[in-house]
Amino acid sequence: GNSVTQMEGPVTLSEEAFLTINCTYTATGYPSLFWYVQYPGEGLQLLLKATKADDKGSNKGFEATYRKETTSFHLEKGSVQVSDSAVYFCALSNAGGTSYGKLTFGQGTILTVHP
Amino acid sequence: DGGITQSPKYLFRKEGQNVTLSCEQNLNHDAMYWYRQDPGQGLRLIYYSQIVNDFQKGDIAEGYSVSREKKESFPLTVTSAQKNPTAFYLCASSDSGGSGNTIYFGEGSWLTVV
Repeated sequence: GNSVTQMEGPVTLSEEAFLTINCTYTATGYPSLFWYVQYPGEGLQLLLKATKADDKGSNKGFEATYRKETTSFHLEKGSVQVSDSAVYFCALSNAGGTSYGKLTFGQGTILTVHP
Repeated sequence: DGGITQSPKYLFRKEGQNVTLSCEQNLNHDAMYWYRQDPGQGLRLIYYSQIVNDFQKGDIAEGYSVSREKKESFPLTVTSAQKNPTAFYLCASSDSGGSGNTIYFGEGSWLTVV
């Protein structure tokens, strides 16, 4: 079956530090990969996505590259801000069979950025 | 504004009661989903629907029921058979069930058993 594993949190950084949140996946075929962000008490917002190998998704200074050879989709940002404090979820979507169209999520990584 | 509206935001349920969470979308999306989120865990799929009058069980459907009588509405009923219903429930929708299409989420509903 499909599965997503994220690095253990929480992650605490100072403002302007470099961020990496690791994400690896297990899936058959060619899944699409996503990063979602959840601010306190809110639903999830799409941060970025990549639909095929070697694609790079980017948004708001965040980037992630779809690496099929290492089955990874690590999230990076060069300089974090206090407003980036949130929970980040890595997810995959795999068409076909009973998993058609549904997202499989990692457990989430809590990021706290201090001034 | 286009989006997904969930109600109520907070709901308290007594033991043995059924409760229904509302989800309405005006994005004209074909597919809709219900997820459950527990503290410190990722989201788990309860039910999903790709077209009107059709829906499929997700990974944790036991104790839940849904209907899809209209394209824009996908209510979730948490029945008394659900042993541990206290959680954050998220409704979502997408253009279709294809793996590359983005799934959009509502603001969520908190359900607490008292």
